Order: sequence, then C-alpha cells, then structure tokens
Amino acid sequence: GENVEQHPSTLSVQEGDSAVIKCTYSDSASNYFPWYKQELGKRPQLIIDIRSNVGEKKDQRIAVTLNKTAKHFSLHITETQPEDSAVYFCASSGSARQLTFGSGTQLTVLP
Amino acid sequence: IAGITQAPTSQILAAGRRMTLRCTQDMRHNAMYWYRQDLGLGLRLIHYSNTAGTTGKGEVPDGYSVSRANTDDFPLTLASAVPSQTSVYFCASSQGTDTQYFGPGTRLTVL
Repeated sequence: GENVEQHPSTLSVQEGDSAVIKCTYSDSASNYFPWYKQELGKRPQLIIDIRSNVGEKKDQRIAVTLNKTAKHFSLHITETQPEDSAVYFCASSGSARQLTFGSGTQLTVLP
Repeated sequence: IAGITQAPTSQILAAGRRMTLRCTQDMRHNAMYWYRQDLGLGLRLIHYSNTAGTTGKGEVPDGYSVSRANTDDFPLTLASAVPSQTSVYFCASSQGTDTQYFGPGTRLTVL
C-alpha cells in the first residue's frame, strides 16, 4: 500500500519567517495530495490541496509544490503568524483511492 | 446544516465491553471513513465505505466493525474493547475521492 513520510516532526519558527514541511510518497499512481491543519483538541481541516496535473498551487500565504518524478510534495507558509501554530498533516491518495496520512508536523510560531 | 457529527464526545469504557461510536453526515456524501489518531502516528484508516451498502477494510481494521445501511450514518463498533483501542476516533466523509471533511472526534479510553 501507499506509504507517506513527513518531515520534520517538529518545527519552530519566528513570527514573520517562512515554514516548509516536506512529504514523500511511494505509490506512483497517487494523484491527490491534501494538507490538513489540526489545532489542539480540534478536528483536522483542509487548508490546501493539489492534484497531479499541476506542479504548484497558492492560496494567500500558503503554497504547495508537487514533484511527481521524485514523489514528493511540500507545504510552504510565508509570513507566519502565531495562529499558524498547529499540527499539519500531509496525505496522499494512492491506487486504492484512500488517503494515507503522514505522521504530522507540530509547527510552533514564536512571537 | 450540521455537516458531520459524532457521538459520544468522549467515553471511558471497561475492557471487554461493547461500544458503538456514531457518525452522521447531512452533506449526502457517498463515501465515509473511520480513522484513529494516536500521538506520533497521525491518522490511520480503520474502515471505509464508498457508498451505502458497501464497506472496506483500512490499515488497522482488527477489533472493529462497521455498517452502512444508508447514506447518512456510518457507525463503528468495538465488539470487545481492549486498552490498545484507547485513542481519538474521527469520522470523515467525502464526495467520491474529493476532499474529506472530518467530524469533531470521539475520545475513547479503555481501562
């Protein structure tokens, strides 16, 4: 089945700096890559997603890049703010068409 | 419109007892999912249903069963709970392989 690895597991940045979280996947048939944000005690919520027919997608301060050849995708958050502090999960939809999640990154934005 | 709801919010259960976690969605999504979330392991798929009347096994199905009698409801049953099933359980739904929307979660403790 699909295997998704996510790095780093924890990330601390100064407010205003950029944060980058990286994921790799194993199933070359994967074609859908969402990113979820989970605040403490809350449910995961989709923040951005990308499909395999594009290489990059932006939504204000958030962007995702996809390299299908290398089978990796990344989340970029610019001008970080304290409210960006949360756990971020990447996921991949493999040939079974089910989402496989990475193990998560705890992002802390220091004021 | 409630979206997707789960009950109970939390539960403490004695080992060996039977427990059913409830999940209901009002978005008319055809697909529904059950995940468990454990610290450091992200979200792992237990069971899924692509449409009413069908179910499938995910990554960690042992000890759990599901049914999908109609579009809206997708209960998860632990026939005889064990302490290793202590976790936070999230239900999710999607229209096909599109974005998954998560419920608020059920925190289950098995003693």
